[in-house]
Amino acid sequence: DQQVKQNSPSLSVQEGRISILNCDYTNSMFDYFLWYKKYPAEGPTFLISISSIKDKNEDGRFTVFLNKSAKHLSLHIVPSQPGDSAVYFCAAVRTGNQFYFGTGTSLTVIP
Amino acid sequence: KAGVTQTPRYLIKTRGQQVTLSCSPISGHRSVSWYQQTPGQGLQFLFEYFSETQRNKGNFPGRFSGRQFSNSRSEMNVSTLELGDSALYLCASSFGGTGVSETQYFGPGTRLLVL
Repeated sequence: DQQVKQNSPSLSVQEGRISILNCDYTNSMFDYFLWYKKYPAEGPTFLISISSIKDKNEDGRFTVFLNKSAKHLSLHIVPSQPGDSAVYFCAAVRTGNQFYFGTGTSLTVIP
Repeated sequence: KAGVTQTPRYLIKTRGQQVTLSCSPISGHRSVSWYQQTPGQGLQFLFEYFSETQRNKGNFPGRFSGRQFSNSRSEMNVSTLELGDSALYLCASSFGGTGVSETQYFGPGTRLLVL
């Protein structure tokens, strides 16, 4: 049972434009959400997180939006840079430290 | 401070053998979680250890087991290896406080190839 879903396996964006990565979840008990970035043959790197009591969190070029009523999470990258090309995983956490990950979206930023 | 470390980085085994992977968490972190990543499957949760006790468990067969030591270092063991066990095995650490959701930090992974 996939409780966290990333329905777009891949995304291509021109350098300088906005990248929007989406994530849907099914369990209303999740209270913390994160995005990780992963390069091939490396472990995921923490990017940004958001608590369920907020609807937006911003860190430089990265903004995460949370829509609890729709059970939807998105990551905006503005402006996109070639170095942002990687696989992005969203994760949702229930109290008790159990993490659920999506299957990832491969982002390609075209110079 | 030092990040999460995993050893070995690469491993080749044959079917039927067993393997032990090691993970050293960030200093001060008491929770260690293990994940399996295969192409198209994302990160599949194996189990989480906190204070030497398994606190959470995913849906993997009993061939997959783990343990945690008093210094929070963790090992994962896979017995009777199958071809389908070929994957990147990742461990992640966090402070692990109960009642609190927090960020996990990942190691570089161990790439296991079963022939």
